[in-house]
Amino acid sequence: AQRVTQPEKLLSVFKGAPVELKCNYSYSGSPELFWYVQYSRQRLQLLLRHISRESIKGFTADLNKGETSFHLKKPFAQEEDSAMYYCALRGDSNYQLIWGAGTKLIIKP
Amino acid sequence: EPEVTQTPSHQVTQMGQEVILRCVPISNHLYFYWYRQILGQKVEFLVSFYNNEISEKSEIFDDQFSVERPDGSNFTLKIRSTKLEDSAMYFCASMGGLGLPQFFGPGTRLTVL
Repeated sequence: AQRVTQPEKLLSVFKGAPVELKCNYSYSGSPELFWYVQYSRQRLQLLLRHISRESIKGFTADLNKGETSFHLKKPFAQEEDSAMYYCALRGDSNYQLIWGAGTKLIIKP
Repeated sequence: EPEVTQTPSHQVTQMGQEVILRCVPISNHLYFYWYRQILGQKVEFLVSFYNNEISEKSEIFDDQFSVERPDGSNFTLKIRSTKLEDSAMYFCASMGGLGLPQFFGPGTRLTVL
């Protein structure tokens, strides 16, 4: 079954601390993984996709096929990073996105 | 930067009424999607649309739902006879081509009373 799991509903860290938002997936083929972010009262925005291998707003994510994970990391959190973060998977035979439940990230001053 | 737009931002309706949610995808995009998110739950795929026809749909997308691209810019989701459990945030998304990411509208919050 295709599934995305984000085990943490809420993650609260202090400004300047490292952040890691976990994402695990279940998919039998070659998925494409995404991180979307939703700031308060704003739309879902693409943050990262694994095939781009880029860093956006200081965030990085590496696809680990052995552990079926795509964790999102940032070495030094900033207050403006507070938002909902969603991990999503797109299969290689269709184009719908399968979503995790989301993690609410709160950065404390 | 072009964005997906959705109207209305909030729709309140009585159970059994028909609603039409409207979306204007990014202008040169070819693939269109509807997702929904019931409060406190995951975002769920409803339907995808390409070349003027449905390319995929989920189990949620039953006979009460339909989609249409009535002209070159709008993409609509119709719910024929709303139920209480249709209350959710409905997101429209568009994609420029295969292998490209999906871009989302701000959502329409549907409340069925």
